Amino acid sequence: EDKVVQSPLSLVVHEGDTVTLNCSYEVTNFRSLLWYKQEKKAPTFLFMLTSSGIEKKSGRLSSILDKKELFSILNITATQTGDSAVYLCAVEGPNYGGSQGNLIFGKGTKLSVKP
Amino acid sequence: DTGVSQDPRHKITKRGQNVTFRCDPISEHNRLYWYRQTLGQGPEFLTYFQNEAQLEKSRLLSDRFSAERPKGSFSTLEIQRTEQGDSAMYLCASTPGRVNEQFFGPGTRLTVL
Repeated sequence: EDKVVQSPLSLVVHEGDTVTLNCSYEVTNFRSLLWYKQEKKAPTFLFMLTSSGIEKKSGRLSSILDKKELFSILNITATQTGDSAVYLCAVEGPNYGGSQGNLIFGKGTKLSVKP
Repeated sequence: DTGVSQDPRHKITKRGQNVTFRCDPISEHNRLYWYRQTLGQGPEFLTYFQNEAQLEKSRLLSDRFSAERPKGSFSTLEIQRTEQGDSAMYLCASTPGRVNEQFFGPGTRLTVL
């Protein structure tokens, strides 16, 4: 069965710390891995990764994918209280007729950044 | 606001009643997805449409659930004979179909008493 596992499930840090969130997956016919940030509302898109070893960056956030070892990490440097959220990892699941499939989500990592 | 919109944002109903939710995707997006999210879990896929065609349904989608996208624009998700276990956030997402970067709506939070 396809699955996405995130760790840790929760994390408490202080402002300025650097954090690393982990996502491992077992999905047939892998196409892409996505990271989302969810505050008290709908998930907002952060990154989509399709190729191994190519880091994607956006400000203090960065992410990389390892398709051989079947995992991805999301790094946040110099954390701020506004980074407090649930970070969701999702992998594109089996597709229909060769086009994009649904997303299989992990349970998320709840990050709390203390001032 | 040109993002994905959902209506209503909150719905409280009694067990056994029927409910219907609406999702309006981003206008040029031809793919539309429905997910369900419960507390402490990531979203779980329910079904998706490409234009008006419903291409896939999860086994989570019991016979009490039905979804439509009659003109390939907005979509509705209906739950008949609601049960307390149906209480969840129902999320809609859309994508242009070229890549799978899905844009989520604000969700409809359903509470079944």
